[in-house]
Amino acid sequence: EVQLVQSGAEVKKPGESLRISCKGSGYSFTSYWISWVRQMPGKGLEWMGRIDPSDSYTNYSPSFQGHVTISADKSISTAYLQWSSLKASDTAMYYCASLGVVGAFDIWGQGTMVTVSS
Amino acid sequence: QSVLTQPPSASGTPGQRVTISCSGSSSNIGSNTVNWYQQLPGTAPKLLIYSNNQRPSGVPDRFSGSKSGTSASLAISGLQSEDEADYYCAAWDDSLNGLYVFGTGTKVTVL
Repeated sequence: EVQLVQSGAEVKKPGESLRISCKGSGYSFTSYWISWVRQMPGKGLEWMGRIDPSDSYTNYSPSFQGHVTISADKSISTAYLQWSSLKASDTAMYYCASLGVVGAFDIWGQGTMVTVSS
Repeated sequence: QSVLTQPPSASGTPGQRVTISCSGSSSNIGSNTVNWYQQLPGTAPKLLIYSNNQRPSGVPDRFSGSKSGTSASLAISGLQSEDEADYYCAAWDDSLNGLYVFGTGTKVTVL
């Protein structure tokens, strides 16, 4: 089965660091870009950035550039989204998604809820 | 900040046809194909339409998409209760080294 499986929910304090993961299976992980998408509570979808798992080339939305880091380890078919210093405003559901041959995100992870609260 | 504008809500009774608009610009919809995603309550988004009007395998033909200039639309014909969800248009944007932009989202309610 083709799928992306994300790591579990996280509860953190402001200023803490965090890395969440997205593991692909059932397909060639290095063949398709992985993107991360943020959804704040009750709000819409926001594209954060993408990574090419084959060479770890990344590009980010200006809204997220410098605030998060996207990386990947192709040896274990896993992409990551990382924060060095969380803020309360980072509280959101985060989805990873794979850009398929059709040029759209045809595989989505189940989402990882990140809660940042003192 | 979304650069694709959708109406916040749409509604219809079972069996009716509902249309959702998506307005963009020359750097996104005007230059690239449009995708639509459906997000059922409490679930991850799902690809509904790609390349303006193509349905992935398994998507009912009640859903159709179209594009003209810098705008696109999604139509749901024969509305069903299970279609109650949030719908998002999206496209690549040629500005700033290539970004993917989502629409503001439309909540479809089945009355």
